[in-house]
Amino acid sequence: GAVVSQHPSRVICKSGTSVKIECRSLDFQATTMFWYRQFPKQSLMLMATSNEGSKATYEQGVEKDKFLINHASLTLSTLTVTSAHPEDSSFYICSARTSYVHEQFFGPGTRLTVL
Amino acid sequence: GESVGLHLPTLSVQEGDNSIINCAYSNSASDYFIWYKQESGKGPQFIIDIRSNMDKRQGQRVTVLLNKTVKHLSLQIAATQPGDSAVYFCAELPGNTGKLIFGQGTTLQVKP
Repeated sequence: GAVVSQHPSRVICKSGTSVKIECRSLDFQATTMFWYRQFPKQSLMLMATSNEGSKATYEQGVEKDKFLINHASLTLSTLTVTSAHPEDSSFYICSARTSYVHEQFFGPGTRLTVL
Repeated sequence: GESVGLHLPTLSVQEGDNSIINCAYSNSASDYFIWYKQESGKGPQFIIDIRSNMDKRQGQRVTVLLNKTVKHLSLQIAATQPGDSAVYFCAELPGNTGKLIFGQGTTLQVKP
């Protein structure tokens, strides 16, 4: 089946620093990638949708200048959390989809802890 | 706003029993529904899906039922095993947005 990877799986950083998370589709071309955030014991909340070669579309309440998304190729999207603060600590999950099917394939998630 | 909700936050079942996890959705434009399983510290794992033109779909040990009249979705797991312990999310896909809307999640605990 389709495989999506994320790197790193876990990151701890100091407040004020920026963190980049990579999402890769390993065996298919992802025309669309999605970024979700999940707080403990809560559901997944969609942050943004990115299509290869175009600007990401952010959900209401998500700061686009804080969460920078780049989808430069059909197999890679990156999420950069800029000037991270403790309240940004969360589980970040990406998913990828081709243009041919509804199904989204999810990555394993990245645990971000901001001290 | 529109949302997908779950009736039971936690479900505890005995190993070998059948489990039923319920979900209510509110967007009548949704035409595709999916159940995901999420183990601690991992991403969601696809279990089974169903399209709005169906009312039942069976997989291996799992069955999804869709009742569009009352906007209700359920996941049935037969002969529940300890490895089934996880959080289960339903998700709906409105045809006009292409974005999944996740429900709140139900924790399934399987007692040996």
